[in-house]
Amino acid sequence: DTAVSQTPKYLVTQMGNDKSIKCEQNLGHDTMYWYKQDSKKFLKIMFSYNNKELIINETVPNRFSPKSPDKAHLNLHINSLELGDSAVYFCASSPDRAYEQYFGPGTRLTVT
Amino acid sequence: AQKVTQAQTEISVVEKEDVTLDCVYETRDTTYYLFWYKQPPSGELVFLIRRNSFDEQNEISGRYSWNFQKSTSSFNFTITASQVVDSAVYFCALASGGYQKVTFGIGTKLQVIP
Repeated sequence: DTAVSQTPKYLVTQMGNDKSIKCEQNLGHDTMYWYKQDSKKFLKIMFSYNNKELIINETVPNRFSPKSPDKAHLNLHINSLELGDSAVYFCASSPDRAYEQYFGPGTRLTVT
Repeated sequence: AQKVTQAQTEISVVEKEDVTLDCVYETRDTTYYLFWYKQPPSGELVFLIRRNSFDEQNEISGRYSWNFQKSTSSFNFTITASQVVDSAVYFCALASGGYQKVTFGIGTKLQVIP
């Protein structure tokens, strides 16, 4: 029943590890996003996909790699995790880029 | 370049007071979209409203109202008779530049004191 789901909800890992966060939406939307929210609640877009095509790639280290196997899924893989990667990562979807976004519950990543 | 400014980082009001959250935006595009989102303490982000640049009509939804003024590049949000459940961080956002990018403001943390 959940519109936008993310797994896992919490992720604790050590520096240097590689981890993935999965996102799925069942709203039939064409556009999906990844955002990073830091400890000060600042929300910054990282990537945006439209119909599986990458349309936004903000200034994000290339250790972050999004993958969209189909319109309903947008996963985020992070290599060589660093302390500064600790944040809450939100996935979102929207019918199109000009429309409102529906957010997943977030994944709290803690790098130790 | 596009920019969203929410000058109020934190606001505290006593329950039943009215409160206005300010949002000022910058964009060179003539067509753009503005949004407000709510993030309660539980952490999820909830869409509240979307407004396009050609529609300056104000909107009211229950205790919530929005005032869009292109002349001052502002899209302010008013909560009437605030309640404790309104305590949250509220984000204003702008989509322009071919809608390729959505820029969020830094958010305004609203605390409603019982």
